[in-house]
Amino acid sequence: GDSVTQMEGPVTLSEEAFLTINCTYTATGYPSLFWYVQYPGEGLQLLLKATKADDKGSNKGFEATYRKETTSFHLEKGSVQVSDSAVYFCALTDSWGKLQFGAGTQVVVTP
Amino acid sequence: NAGVTQTPKFRILKIGQSMTLQCAQDMNHNYMYWYRQDPGMGLKLIYYSVGAGITDKGEVPNGYNVSRSTTEDFPLRLELAAPSQTSVYFCASSSVGNTEAFFGQGTRLTVV
Repeated sequence: GDSVTQMEGPVTLSEEAFLTINCTYTATGYPSLFWYVQYPGEGLQLLLKATKADDKGSNKGFEATYRKETTSFHLEKGSVQVSDSAVYFCALTDSWGKLQFGAGTQVVVTP
Repeated sequence: NAGVTQTPKFRILKIGQSMTLQCAQDMNHNYMYWYRQDPGMGLKLIYYSVGAGITDKGEVPNGYNVSRSTTEDFPLRLELAAPSQTSVYFCASSSVGNTEAFFGQGTRLTVV
């Protein structure tokens, strides 16, 4: 079945550092791809999405490009802040509408 | 806007007891989902629904049941609770499969 694999954490960075979180997927059709973020004690909220190949999703300085040839959707941010400390989840929906998540990557940004 | 509302927020169950986790959304969304999140782990899909009267199993359905009699409500039933069901449960909804899913605040369940 469809699945999402993302890099393990925690990822610890200093403020203003560059962040990359790798995400690859396996899918039989043409999934939509998402990044969700979870702040401590809260539910998940959408960070960005891309619904077809070569689409770039962006929000709050974060970006990810839907790469069909490498089945990837890596998340990047050029300069992280302490407030970006959270758990980041890569996800996909298949053609049946099933929304599945990767294991999550904890990001810790230190001042 | 209420969005997705889950009740209760916290619950302690004894082994063998049953309970229903409630989930309601007021956005007229067709798709609804139940996930569990174990400590330090990702979200595992338990059940999902693409509309009233239609439900399907996710990755970890054993020990759970769902129903979807209305668009708004998607309750999750635990029968014969076991310690392995100790987790945080999240309900989510979306209008269609490729759009943003909105999450509830979660239900923290402990089975002792």
